[in-house]
Amino acid sequence: EVQLVESGGGLVQPGRSLRLSCAASGFTFDAYAMHWVRQAPGKGLEWVSGISYNSANIGYVDSVKGRFTISRDNAKNSLYLQMNSLRNEDTALYYCAKDIGSYGDAFENWGQGTMVTVSS
Amino acid sequence: IQLTQSPSFLSASVGDRVTITCRASQGVSFYLAWYQQKPGKAPKLLIYAASTLQTGVPSRFSGSGSGTEFTLTVSSLQPEDFATYYCQQFNSYLGVTFGQGTRLEIK
Repeated sequence: EVQLVESGGGLVQPGRSLRLSCAASGFTFDAYAMHWVRQAPGKGLEWVSGISYNSANIGYVDSVKGRFTISRDNAKNSLYLQMNSLRNEDTALYYCAKDIGSYGDAFENWGQGTMVTVSS
Repeated sequence: IQLTQSPSFLSASVGDRVTITCRASQGVSFYLAWYQQKPGKAPKLLIYAASTLQTGVPSRFSGSGSGTEFTLTVSSLQPEDFATYYCQQFNSYLGVTFGQGTRLEIK
């Protein structure tokens, strides 16, 4: 059974940093692309960042470019999101999602999310 | 690429056939997926590659379309289908976008 468990969320002041982690199990982690998707309270889904199976391809939504960095450690079956210079508008539930393929396509499995609240 | 779903809100009854449309600002080939999300839960993949039913999803769900216009159809609504639905496109790592969502409620 595929399991994705996010951690690292919390309350942080604007301008500070957080690092999210996603521990994956139940599948061959290094064969699939992975993504971070967020959902602000009461709002829709927004793709934040994605990384291909071998880290050769990486992308970000425009609003986080230069502030967030996605990475993966295939030896540890883990996905990360380093979030710097956080803003109030980054407040959201952050989901880790497994792609159906190795490059990028659709999001087959999702974690339960970790909440990030940016507020002074 | 922007995705626009219509309608944004839909009221229907159990047994109804409903269709949700997703229009893209430019062609997205066939990398178009549909998700269902219930309150307090993570989204669930229903359809990928525009028309491929994800394993375990009931056959009353179907997807169609290509290029810039896609549809999700539920042939006979069941009580558990009342939720919010999102379309999503993957245009390489240049950008992935979701539609704004369609909230399907019981009439």
